[in-house]
Amino acid sequence: AQSVTQLDSQVPVFEEAPVELRCNYSSSVPPYLFWYVQYPNQGLQLLLKYLSGSTLVKGINGFEAEFKKSETSFHLTKPSAHMSDAAEYFCAVSDYGGSQGNLIFGKGTKLSVKP
Amino acid sequence: DADVTQTPRNRITKTGKRIMLECSQTKGHDRMYWYRQDPGLGLQLIYYSFDVKDINKGEISDGYSVSRQAQAKFSLSLESAIPNQTALYFCATSDPGQPDGNEQFFGPGTRLTVL
Repeated sequence: AQSVTQLDSQVPVFEEAPVELRCNYSSSVPPYLFWYVQYPNQGLQLLLKYLSGSTLVKGINGFEAEFKKSETSFHLTKPSAHMSDAAEYFCAVSDYGGSQGNLIFGKGTKLSVKP
Repeated sequence: DADVTQTPRNRITKTGKRIMLECSQTKGHDRMYWYRQDPGLGLQLIYYSFDVKDINKGEISDGYSVSRQAQAKFSLSLESAIPNQTALYFCATSDPGQPDGNEQFFGPGTRLTVL
């Protein structure tokens, strides 16, 4: 069965410092992986996704993630945090191979950005 | 206009009352989902529907029911609300016909409080 573990429930950073939000997955099939962001009082918005091909995926707002099969990881990074990045971030994996599955979400990581 | 809308956005009700949360989408997607979000627990799938005639239970369906009135409409009901159903509820859609068919598009959420 597929699963997702987000290792940190909260990550505080200073403005302009680098950001890394960690995600590890378990999958019995080649995974489809996603990162979503939830700003306060809003729904979830897709940041980026990995389906196949290049293991370094670039998303919106300067975020990127690298798929590392050997480490079963899909960590989200950004070189320099902005105050506007403060939000909750969710990693997700498809629960079935290909495009037919549902998504299994991690418990989320709250990113706070201090001036 | 938003592609996925939810009504109401906020609702306060009393224990034992019947509540319906509604979701509409203009994306033309066949698949629709209902999730609940609790702090620290991420998103938990309540029900999902692959088309009008295909409805499936998710991981936490007890105490909930759904109705898929049309391709564009998917309603969630709490037959007799209880306080531990206080949560943020999200509707989402996806299109399995696309290569990235797992990607889900979320509504803005309904904040439900059961007193």
